Amino acid sequence: AQSVAQPEDQVNVAEGNPLTVKCTYSVSGNPYLFWYVQYPNRGLQFLLKYITGDNLVKGSYGFEAEFNKSQTSFHLKKPSALVSDSALYFCAALRRGSQGNLIFGKGTKLSVKP
Amino acid sequence: GAGVSQSPSNKVTEKGKDVELRCDPISGHTALYWYRQSLGQGLEFLIYFQGNSAPDKSGLPSDRFSAERTGGSVSTLTIQRTQQEDSAVYLCASSPVPGPNTEAFFGQGTRLTVV
Repeated sequence: AQSVAQPEDQVNVAEGNPLTVKCTYSVSGNPYLFWYVQYPNRGLQFLLKYITGDNLVKGSYGFEAEFNKSQTSFHLKKPSALVSDSALYFCAALRRGSQGNLIFGKGTKLSVKP
Repeated sequence: GAGVSQSPSNKVTEKGKDVELRCDPISGHTALYWYRQSLGQGLEFLIYFQGNSAPDKSGLPSDRFSAERTGGSVSTLTIQRTQQEDSAVYLCASSPVPGPNTEAFFGQGTRLTVV
């Protein structure tokens, strides 16, 4: 079965420290990969995506993600975390040839403390 | 409106009753998706509409669930004979064209509680 895994339910970091939110996928072919963020009481917002090309993708709010084909991973990173980054983060994959069925991970709650 | 609009924002219903959830996508978006977000379960795909094509219903969990999209715009998700396990946040999203080159825009969801 096609799936996306986010192995950490929660990630805690101190403000100013680098953060990583992990994502691995088991999707046939070379899927497109996405990160979404959900702030409290708000809908999901798109952060960034990997389609092809450079393995390091830069997105909104200073976030970036690194695609690693051999490890089937797409970890989300930020060099210096902010308290306002605290939210729920979802990794998603779209199988090439599919027309819209995004496969989501279970989400990782990021908590950034001052 | 500027974004995807869903109504109601909250719905409490008695077990066994039918409910209708509405989604107004961004004007001009041809693709529309419904997902269900349950605590600890992530986002579960339900159904996908693209233009005039037959919808992809492969994610609907049972025949109590159905959805339609009228005029290529507004969509309604109907749950018949609701059960407690239907309690979740139902999210709608739309995108201008299907595929990877545009991201999906999500509404704020409808929180359904079946008591």
